[in-house]
Amino acid sequence: TAGITQAPTSQILAAGRSMTLRCTQDMRHNAMYWYRQDLGLGLRLIHYSNTAGTTGKGEVPDGYSVSRANTDDFPLTLASAVPSQTSVYFCASSESFTGELFFGEGSRLTVL
Amino acid sequence: GQNIDQPTEMTATEGAIVQINCTYQTSGFNGLFWYQQHAGEAPTFLSYNVLDGLEEKGRFSSFLSRSKGYSYLLLKELQMKDSASYLCAVRDRDYKLSFGAGTTVTVRA
Repeated sequence: TAGITQAPTSQILAAGRSMTLRCTQDMRHNAMYWYRQDLGLGLRLIHYSNTAGTTGKGEVPDGYSVSRANTDDFPLTLASAVPSQTSVYFCASSESFTGELFFGEGSRLTVL
Repeated sequence: GQNIDQPTEMTATEGAIVQINCTYQTSGFNGLFWYQQHAGEAPTFLSYNVLDGLEEKGRFSSFLSRSKGYSYLLLKELQMKDSASYLCAVRDRDYKLSFGAGTTVTVRA
């Protein structure tokens, strides 16, 4: 089925280790986003990319980095994980930065 | 930045109507979205308002008043499958989309 694929679905990670969450879309959407979702706080934007080759910081970017080498892929890297980064991470895309967002199924990350 | 408020929880009976309110304060405004999220699943798009007024889509309608910083999502003829979290989201002048914490709707038989 076309759409957004995230990997891994779930991961347990030791504090201090690095981790890359992968996100691939096959809809040729220009804009891509990473959100984290925590109970009571809703979805918070980490980083975004309006087009390949560009990225921007969202509301909670500290501790995370992204790259957008091509249209389809938008990986999110945690260089040195901390327990406060335990969350469900959603990747999303939109045809343009004005369009509706389509979400991946999420990656549940637990940092111990 | 954004400040988006919506009730935490609402309960209604199957076949009834429920209205979920959302108020927002934003630096610039480029549209308001409603998403539905079932437990353990990804959010899915429900509606979009950029001009004042009512947008109707089957059993779901969404209303916007930009001058009041206010929107509501109306769910009619409630079904058990409508039990979910409903997320209000606002796009700011930089086109970034910020979400409220969500309203959990429980539909009782």
